Amino acid sequence: GAVVSQHPSRVICKSGTSVKIECRSLDFQATTMFWYRQFPKQSLMLMATSNEGSKATYEQGVEKDKFLINHASLTLSTLTVTSAHPEDSSFYICSARPRLAVNQETQYFGPGTRLLVL
Amino acid sequence: GNSVTQMEGPVTLSEEAFLTINCTYTATGYPSLFWYVQYPGEGLQLLLKATKADDKGSNKGFEATYRKETTSFHLEKGSVQVSDSAVYFCALSPGGGADGLTFGKGTHLIIQP
Repeated sequence: GAVVSQHPSRVICKSGTSVKIECRSLDFQATTMFWYRQFPKQSLMLMATSNEGSKATYEQGVEKDKFLINHASLTLSTLTVTSAHPEDSSFYICSARPRLAVNQETQYFGPGTRLLVL
Repeated sequence: GNSVTQMEGPVTLSEEAFLTINCTYTATGYPSLFWYVQYPGEGLQLLLKATKADDKGSNKGFEATYRKETTSFHLEKGSVQVSDSAVYFCALSPGGGADGLTFGKGTHLIIQP
């Protein structure tokens, strides 16, 4: 089946630094990638939708200047948390929609990245 | 806006017990409904889905029926196995399916031998 990877799986950083998280579709091309955020015992919250070659669309309440998303190729999207603060600590999950999906609702999820900001 | 409410966990059952995980939703239009499962250390995997009212999604012995009149999509399995232990998420996608998903909080299911 289709595989989506995320790197790193876990990262610890100091407050004020920036952290980049990669999301890759390993065996398929993805025109659309989604970024979610999950707090402990909470649901996954959609942060933004990124389409290859265009600017990301952010959900209401998500700061686009803080969470920079780049979708430069059909197999890679990156999320950069700029000037991270402890409240940004969370579990970040990406998903990818295959370019050739028969069903537009098909999404494959990565395993997530645990971010801890000290 | 859209929202999904599912029963809080953890849910602990003995092997071969009957499983129900409740899920209700609020949405405008005609959403598609999903159940995803997450095994330890892995990404979410689609378990089953239903795209219109009265549709029944099924997979691996799990079933869920899209009930528009009660805005529900409860997950059921007649006889659970230890290997079913995982976190289960109910989710919806607005009509058309081109958007990101709205998830419930997830239900941790623990099956004891």
